[in-house]
This record gives sequence, C-alpha cells and structure tokens, in this order.
Amino acid sequence: SQQGEEDPQALSIQEGENATMNCSYKTSINNLQWYRQNSGRGLVHLILIRSNEREKHSGRLRVTLDTSKKSSSLLITASRAADTASYFCATGPSGGYQKVTFGTGTKLQVIP
Amino acid sequence: GAVVSQHPSWVICKSGTSVKIECRSLDFQATTMFWYRQFPKQSLMLMATSNEGSKATYEQGVEKDKFLINHASLTLSTLTVTSAHPEDSSFYICSASREAGPTEAFFGQGTRLTVV
Repeated sequence: SQQGEEDPQALSIQEGENATMNCSYKTSINNLQWYRQNSGRGLVHLILIRSNEREKHSGRLRVTLDTSKKSSSLLITASRAADTASYFCATGPSGGYQKVTFGTGTKLQVIP
Repeated sequence: GAVVSQHPSWVICKSGTSVKIECRSLDFQATTMFWYRQFPKQSLMLMATSNEGSKATYEQGVEKDKFLINHASLTLSTLTVTSAHPEDSSFYICSASREAGPTEAFFGQGTRLTVV
C-alpha cells in the first residue's frame, strides 16, 4: 500500500515562480527522500532528509520535515521549464537498507 | 553518486514468452536490491526485495512464480517475467543502496515492458 500521499496531484506554474509540493505519510520513518521522474524515465534522487532534521537545502530546492505532523514539503524556487517532471516523496523505514515506499506523486508543469 | 544500470531500457515481447531484466550496480556492491513496478501515471509500487545469495522477499499480492528474482552476485539482480501477458506491460525499475542505514537509494533507468 502507498505510504505517502502528495498534494497537489498536479501543479502548473509560470517559469520563475516557486513551486511547493507537500507529502504526508502514515508510519514512523527514518528518513524521507524526494525524487524527480521525467516522463517515461528513471528516477533522479533530489534530496534526503533524516527524521531528526527539520529543513534541508540543495541549490534551488528546500525541503522541510515535520515528524509530528508526518509531513514534508518540497519547494523549488525560481522554477525553470526543465523542472517539468513528476516529483515523488519516498519514506525509508527505521534501520535496514533503503526499502523506500513512494508517495502518489505531484506532476509539475513549468510554462516557459 | 553510485551508478545502477538496468537493461534493457525497453522490450516488446509476445504473450506467453518470458522476459529477463537485469539490474547491475556498476561501482559498488549491493547485497540488497529492490524491484518496483509503475503503471502509467501512477506511483512506484515495491514488488520485491532481492537478497544476494538467498530467496527474494515478495510484497503482498506479487506472484513469486510469475516474477522470478535471482540475485546471483553482489552486483547483479535479475527479474524474469514469466509467461508474460498484456497486463504485465509496465515500467519496471530497480534500486540498490551502497550500505545499510539512512542513505539514498540509487535507481536504474527503468525498463519499459510491452507485451503484445
């Protein structure tokens, strides 16, 4: 069964605007990861945030994690047309190897 | 980052035939790999955990006789879709981690299977 649910399911913005995607999950986690998938392609790892972290930055990406609310958000600033893709959050359980469970995904379209 | 290579990228096969998909970790050893399946416009669903030298662990609802997994070495896991049917058409993707604990998983580029 799906661990995470993402919101919104689809998002369309103009180039240069910021895009925010939210992810909620159900069970306790060790870490949460965000991935990007271009249409019909494999996954690209964007960022990993551990359960004891609240915020993390990587370039134009900012991820927050609120374990009390079991939610995370991904902010893409100054979006570009090349950011058009589906974005998934994935949760990793405590310990063990990375048996991640994916959320439902947000389809982002950045209009040039 | 570490590289996971998946082959083939796409395959078309006839109903009733079997198809083998390979997942290789090119620059690290992976004692555990994972196989996922993705239907169009949907998320990735974990099918099974592939363990080097032992039997795979399948998720609930995944037929082990239908989806044969072999993890023959520390760098190779294979998924064989046996007696394929059109409903098996999907995007299959594998992942591996270099080590245990909270590290990122590295994904292959995926295999698009079409059964006609």
